[in-house]
Amino acid sequence: GIQVEQSPPDLILQEGANSTLRCNFSDSVNNLQWFHQNPWGQLINLFYIPSGTKQNGRLSATTVATERYSLLYISSSQTTDSGVYFCALRMDSSYKLIFGSGTRLLVRP
Amino acid sequence: DAGVTQSPTHLIKTRGQHVTLRCSPISGHKSVSWYQQVLGQGPQFIFQYYEKEERGRGNFPDRFSARQFPNYSSELNVNALLLGDSALYLCASSLSILYGYTFGSGTRLTVV
Repeated sequence: GIQVEQSPPDLILQEGANSTLRCNFSDSVNNLQWFHQNPWGQLINLFYIPSGTKQNGRLSATTVATERYSLLYISSSQTTDSGVYFCALRMDSSYKLIFGSGTRLLVRP
Repeated sequence: DAGVTQSPTHLIKTRGQHVTLRCSPISGHKSVSWYQQVLGQGPQFIFQYYEKEERGRGNFPDRFSARQFPNYSSELNVNALLLGDSALYLCASSLSILYGYTFGSGTRLTVV
């Protein structure tokens, strides 16, 4: 099956710093989403981005489908950005989302 | 607009018991999926329903079952609970399988 690898697994930032999270995948996909899971377990949809670039405030994401990777950029990080960031994929022939193992982010004040 | 709503939020059950978890999708969404997330891991796919029909099933035992009702709400049932079924159960809805998914806040199930 498709492999989804996220890096880094853990990241500690000082408030105000910028960061880049990466998601590599092993097969072509037609649905890629980035989620933020807060400490209470809520999975919050950040981007639906099977290809191209999108921006939403301090967050932006780029997916290069032909090279099978996606990047999530966080600028001017805040303590409320702490949590786990997941990328999740869906292949053409499947209905299920396949999640990576996540990047655990801690932003210190 | 209400998001995806799940009930109950927390639940404690004894080994061997049965549990029913409920999910109401976003209004207009016809697809509902269920995921299990154990501590420290990403969510794992259990079921997907679209237009009241099962469209996908993950690698879970037959103790897990689900259904979707005419109003597109859904139930996840787990029989003969095991300690290993302790997890956060997440429901997601989408307009169709071609669109992105929105998740509910989950039901945290503890089996003792």
